[in-house]
Amino acid sequence: SAVISQKPSRDICQRGTSLTIQCQVDSQVTMMFWYRQQPGQSLTLIATANQGSEATYESGFVIDKFPISRPNLTFSTLTVSNMSPEDSSIYLCSVLSDRDGYTFGSGTRLTVV
Amino acid sequence: QQQVKQSPQSLIVQKGGISIINCAYENTAFDYFPWYQQFPGKGPALLIAIRPDVSEKKEGRFTISFNKSAKQFSLHIMDSQPGDSATYFCAATLAGGTSYGKLTFGQGTILTVHP
Repeated sequence: SAVISQKPSRDICQRGTSLTIQCQVDSQVTMMFWYRQQPGQSLTLIATANQGSEATYESGFVIDKFPISRPNLTFSTLTVSNMSPEDSSIYLCSVLSDRDGYTFGSGTRLTVV
Repeated sequence: QQQVKQSPQSLIVQKGGISIINCAYENTAFDYFPWYQQFPGKGPALLIAIRPDVSEKKEGRFTISFNKSAKQFSLHIMDSQPGDSATYFCAATLAGGTSYGKLTFGQGTILTVHP
């Protein structure tokens, strides 16, 4: 399956600051997604990262809070802006490729203090 | 309409026993149903998946049973092992349209297999 490198793996951030999470895939993929997994909870889709255009956000998530870039078919970033303790979660990059189906990164464990 | 309901929330099984996790969905347009296994500190990993034109799929000790009329599907883990202890998520997605590729996850089941 596709290999995803997600960075950083974890971080502790001050409230009011921003963190940018990177997702690098070892092959070109059809689609890239960002999910949030709150402690002990299931995964919720934040947005679909569209190559060369604005991301498509799910209900409850907005671009000002979670700006996303996808400059090419193998790379995407998610920024968590103006963080509050409620943003403490695991953020996961996921890709869908014709060859390998769905693959998830190991996630970024974010703690906001 | 987009929900996937998963049960039980937690499950304890003895080594060698059968673990059964159930999911129910509402949207009849869903056409791909994967199961994911997640260990602490890791992302979900695909375990097994099924499409609605098949009623059962088996891969090693893992079997998906699918009941299209009841809109339910389940994961059976035969001969459960302590190494199977993890959180399991069912999911569903659509083949096309604006929701193409977006996975809707169940709430998760924490499986503990005692030696």
